[in-house]
Amino acid sequence: KNEVEQSPQNLTAQEGEFITINCSYSVGISALHWLQQHPGGGIVSLFMLSSGKKKHGRLIATINIQEKHSSLHITASHPRDSAVYICAVKAGNQFYFGTGTSLTVIP
Amino acid sequence: DTGVSQNPRHKITKRGQNVTFRCDPISEHNRLYWYRQTLGQGPEFLTYFQNEAQLEKSRLLSDRFSAERPKGSFSTLEIQRTEQGDSAMYLCASSLWDRGGGYTFGSGTRLTVV
Repeated sequence: KNEVEQSPQNLTAQEGEFITINCSYSVGISALHWLQQHPGGGIVSLFMLSSGKKKHGRLIATINIQEKHSSLHITASHPRDSAVYICAVKAGNQFYFGTGTSLTVIP
Repeated sequence: DTGVSQNPRHKITKRGQNVTFRCDPISEHNRLYWYRQTLGQGPEFLTYFQNEAQLEKSRLLSDRFSAERPKGSFSTLEIQRTEQGDSAMYLCASSLWDRGGGYTFGSGTRLTVV
């Protein structure tokens, strides 16, 4: 069983749709990260959360520590949002990663 | 460029050869991490350094793998006697002492063992 589970694995949306990606974890964590990986492989860190909610532009990330669950929302999705979104949790000095959600936004 | 730099971007090698990758972190970051990512999977932790000290190694890091960060700045990851199963993207990330700051990832080195 993976320490981090993401859903869905694949997601196709029409431009403008509101998108939600979910992440559940089973270990005690000090922080949770949402990462964006583009086809070339480069990874960008979007958010680091330890509680509550953060917003950056059209992206919103929330975390519920009691339920061990986080969501990443994208409002007014755009084709350039197409990427793999990875949830990663920091437990002690280790990171555990989800397998990613592949998002395709169709114009 | 003040990001994390990894070289080379791509490496193709024959099975049994040794390869070495380099990671240059953000200069003031004292923590440096190596990860491996195979196709369709999330990254897997390999090892991390705080300054020049290698503080943790994953069980994934067999004795064919060695990582160094001799002066607490750049790091190298060497794979000896490469196997086809070593084919993956090797990612490096750096951070500043977990102090609320984010982690910055490099673009990765894609290794193909033929």
